[in-house]
Amino acid sequence: DGGITQSPKYLFRKEGQNVTLSCEQNLNHDAMYWYRQDPGQGLRLIYYSQIVNDFQKGDIAEGYSVSREKKESFPLTVTSAQKNPTAFYLCASSGGRSYEQYFGPGTRLTVT
Amino acid sequence: AQTVTQSQPEMSVQEAETVTLSCTYDTSESDYYLFWYKQPPSRQMILVIRQEAYKQQNATENRFSVNFQKAAKSFSLKISDSQLGDAAMYFCAYRRMFSFGGYSGGGADGLTFGKGTHLIIQP
Repeated sequence: DGGITQSPKYLFRKEGQNVTLSCEQNLNHDAMYWYRQDPGQGLRLIYYSQIVNDFQKGDIAEGYSVSREKKESFPLTVTSAQKNPTAFYLCASSGGRSYEQYFGPGTRLTVT
Repeated sequence: AQTVTQSQPEMSVQEAETVTLSCTYDTSESDYYLFWYKQPPSRQMILVIRQEAYKQQNATENRFSVNFQKAAKSFSLKISDSQLGDAAMYFCAYRRMFSFGGYSGGGADGLTFGKGTHLIIQP
């Protein structure tokens, strides 16, 4: 089945540690995205990538880093510089002339 | 920068009735896309309906339809014959249209979301 996978579903880390969230897609989409969702808020764009080896900052990129070494994969690293890392993180992709974005199931990150 | 506003934090409707969720947006672009996404308790984002700004006809998907008023920058979602499974958070979203080298399409820009409306269905 084609789709987007994010792992793990729940992630716990201690403050001061970097943590990497996984996002994989087998839809052959060129573009991939990371969003953050906080309670009572809509989704906010962290980073996006149009093609392999290229990515752009979104609205809230501070404290995060990404890489795009493969078309299928777009991992997100939450660094210790991110002041409020506890949130729900969603990965999405889009491709071709389609303007729709398809979302993964999300990862709930809790940092204590 | 584009902004999307959903003025109703929560709405409640009786099962089988009709409900309308409001969304307004602000943009200086003339071509763009608008979406409604549904997020049930599982938190999976599900695309409900989409609208291209250059199309005057309002989009419809089964029980879901939109009222797109471009001049007013308004994009409301109407849910007819509400069902218990419609209970969820609903998010309105905007995406600009990308034009490059004669190609126009969705491009790769991210979506701008509103804060959402929590829809409750009363049995």
